[in-house]
Amino acid sequence: DAGITQSPRHKVTETGTPVTLRCHQTENHRYMYWYRQDPGHGLRLIHYSYGVKDTDKGEVSDGYSVSRSKTEDFLLTLESATSSQTSVYFCAIKGVTDTQYFGPGTRLTVL
Amino acid sequence: AQSVTQPDIHITVSEGASLELRCNYSYGATPYLFWYVQSPGQGLQLLLKYFSGDTLVQGIKGFEAEFKRSQSSFNLRKPSVHWSDAAEYFCAVVPNAGGTSYGKLTFGQGTILTVHP
Repeated sequence: DAGITQSPRHKVTETGTPVTLRCHQTENHRYMYWYRQDPGHGLRLIHYSYGVKDTDKGEVSDGYSVSRSKTEDFLLTLESATSSQTSVYFCAIKGVTDTQYFGPGTRLTVL
Repeated sequence: AQSVTQPDIHITVSEGASLELRCNYSYGATPYLFWYVQSPGQGLQLLLKYFSGDTLVQGIKGFEAEFKRSQSSFNLRKPSVHWSDAAEYFCAVVPNAGGTSYGKLTFGQGTILTVHP
């Protein structure tokens, strides 16, 4: 257990609405990541952060933005949700041994 | 394109049988290599990892994996499968180990393991 929580755990929303997912960690890790999981694709990196206010895009960043105003929180925002963003979203941290540990996930459904 | 491939989408084995899940990668340098397991509705749990050194690594739950540089492979094995091993398994790679990769993981597509009694 790497002290990672995600909220909400489940969310149903409508197309066009903004959505923010929160990842919270308690162990002061520098690196944090957001992935989405879809059948047949494994997990794909959306955005990552290497420090407070330091973020960069991953493989599938279109339609997503992130913010990290303090070490413990990494927020993922869908500015205008679309049905293609229906997915399971995982947050992860990188520990001191270059190993990533994952949160429990958020299941998002966009109708 | 650089990638991680798990050739088997779904594998079915009988309880007590041996298991091998395949993983191949297409990066030039030796990456960091990982296997994760995901039970239905759960998050990902680290099974084992390879950074350097002994190419046969031991993990949790009786799993092991062998890094073969010549084949660009990192296959996961277990000598005797238990019903509780039924899950989805992911191979993952940090492509530029030791460089400025920021530890970003690239995942294979996953292999679903079904265990018959």
